[in-house]
Amino acid sequence: EAQVTQNPRYLITVTGKKLTVTCSQNMNHEYMSWYRQDPGLGLRQIYYSMNVEVTDKGDVPEGYKVSRKEKRNFPLILESPSPNQTSLYFCASSSGTGEYEQYFGPGTRLTVT
Amino acid sequence: GESVGLHLPTLSVQEGDNSIINCAYSNSASDYFIWYKQESGKGPQFIIDIRSNMDKRQGQRVTVLLNKTVKHLSLQIAATQPGDSAVYFCAEILEYGNKLVFGAGTILRVKS
Repeated sequence: EAQVTQNPRYLITVTGKKLTVTCSQNMNHEYMSWYRQDPGLGLRQIYYSMNVEVTDKGDVPEGYKVSRKEKRNFPLILESPSPNQTSLYFCASSSGTGEYEQYFGPGTRLTVT
Repeated sequence: GESVGLHLPTLSVQEGDNSIINCAYSNSASDYFIWYKQESGKGPQFIIDIRSNMDKRQGQRVTVLLNKTVKHLSLQIAATQPGDSAVYFCAEILEYGNKLVFGAGTILRVKS
């Protein structure tokens, strides 16, 4: 089954404790992206990657890092999480070759206390 | 989930009626648009897309209309069903597909 998976689905952590949210897709997609979703604000893009070793900032990259060492994986790293990063996070992927439909993962709900 | 829907406009329709959800976009250079549906506890799901060289595109029970003059999109759902209840987002595609800018969303509630 073609899908985007994220882990963990739920995470409660404390300020300053480094964490990684993993994202993996099995569709051989070139393009992957991370979004955060906050009440009333819709989805905002954090980072995206057009291919292996190619990443770029979205609209809200502050406080986040990403890496793309393999085509299928695109982890989101919070080196020092803060309470304002409490949010619902989505990973998405697309073929990246003129087809812009993005397939979304199920989401990761992060709470930073 | 529920918290995503706070402060969003809500459209309530009777089962079987047609629904029209509207969206204004900001960038006149956008050349591709997508409508997504998000059910409670799930990620956004693609519904239909349209390129800027089109005014209308139809899918199964859904139609998207694009008015570039006033930078407006609409999603029409025919014979709305309870399973259509969700939050609907429009998204404009920028920078050759690398950036998606989402609208704030509209909650659709279908009354049986």
